[in-house]
Amino acid sequence: DTEVTQTPKHLVMGMTNKKSLKCEQHMGHRAMYWYKQKAKKPPELMFVYSYEKLSINESVPSRFSPECPNSSLLNLHLHALQPEDSALYLCASSPLPGNDEKLFFGSGTQLSVL
Amino acid sequence: GEDVEQSLFLSVREGDSSVINCTYTDSSSTYLYWYKQEPGAGLQLLTYIFSNMDMKQDQRLTVLLNKKDKHLSLRIADTQTGDSAIYFCAESRSKIIFGKGTRLHILP
Repeated sequence: DTEVTQTPKHLVMGMTNKKSLKCEQHMGHRAMYWYKQKAKKPPELMFVYSYEKLSINESVPSRFSPECPNSSLLNLHLHALQPEDSALYLCASSPLPGNDEKLFFGSGTQLSVL
Repeated sequence: GEDVEQSLFLSVREGDSSVINCTYTDSSSTYLYWYKQEPGAGLQLLTYIFSNMDMKQDQRLTVLLNKKDKHLSLRIADTQTGDSAIYFCAESRSKIIFGKGTRLHILP
């Protein structure tokens, strides 16, 4: 299994809703990432988990809350989002964190906040 | 500057070679990468090169690295319609830094 699987593929939510994005990989990778990508822009790093511990938080607002329940799963909990948070949210994994970070990306969740 | 720079658009006739250029910023970057993103999809790692190499070839893909000028290029031989996508150059510092992406358009 060489895939990173993200669910749901599409999500529409209101500003008062609570929702979660899910990501799963079974490649034995020990680093997992959340990226945000706006249209016609490169991905922007949000969070990095290394060995199931949060190692990087790129000053992301607290309305985004990551969770890594085990080495195969990564969640992103969403609460009280703003319309400007609408974007493609990409999960990625890498065999090991560090300078040789070959990233394997999921297909993303296209999020619309109304 | 701090950015990884790429031209935004490239149009190439089917069957010709495509060359996508990139300049990066950190001479100590260990690895340099090319990712491909098709519409509605995530990024796919196409190829990468270690910083002590000048060239890497993988089937239709050739990566050239000029470390002195901090210049990276990706050549796609015999460009096909399936190569139509956005190509991101990326360098590895404390985290992966992506360029803005080059949109490759294939002309019939």
